[in-house]
Amino acid sequence: KNQVEQSPQSLIILEGKNCTLQCNYTVSPFSNLRWYKQDTGRGPVSLTIMTFSENTKSNGRYTATLDADTKQSSLHITASQLSDSASYICVVLYNQGGKLIFGQGTELSVKP
Amino acid sequence: GAVVSQHPSRVICKSGTSVKIECRSLDFQATTMFWYRQFPKKSLMLMATSNEGSKATYEQGVEKDKFLINHASLTLSTLTVTSAHPEDSSFYICSANGGASGRYNEQFFGPGTRLTVL
Repeated sequence: KNQVEQSPQSLIILEGKNCTLQCNYTVSPFSNLRWYKQDTGRGPVSLTIMTFSENTKSNGRYTATLDADTKQSSLHITASQLSDSASYICVVLYNQGGKLIFGQGTELSVKP
Repeated sequence: GAVVSQHPSRVICKSGTSVKIECRSLDFQATTMFWYRQFPKKSLMLMATSNEGSKATYEQGVEKDKFLINHASLTLSTLTVTSAHPEDSSFYICSANGGASGRYNEQFFGPGTRLTVL
């Protein structure tokens, strides 16, 4: 079964600290993996996209890694800001039909 | 570039009425648009895929007569919730891919529409 599992479900950190979110997937065949940020009441916004041949990709303070062998990805947030408080969703593009398989998201809360 | 808009952003309606939600790709032509539904604290759930000029493909369990989708042009898709009931209250999000998707076949998401049925 094609699934995307994220951990932790929720996370609280202090402003300025770093954090790492995890994503494991069983989607096959795999086309690419994306990380999205979704603010409450808003649509998802793309942070990074990686194909199986890409191991890491950065977007400002966000750095995503991908290990296609172990089917794991992580999103590292550096020097967190209050505006980083949001849901972070790991999404895999399923090769057949172009469908997106969504993880359940990690709810990040950055406190002052 | 690659901006997707939705209208309205919020709508409140009475039970039994129909509501139309518009999804537009503002600066690119979207060959395919997707409609999702999201419940609180849950992830997005694909409802249907629509290709310009053809009938939408609905996911299992989604009533096509309840959720009418029209993709009349390369920049506009509409979702009409017919005879709305309180259980249809949800956050509806569209996405689009097309010329701006590039090699990643990226989907660009709209800001969402909050539907509340009284």
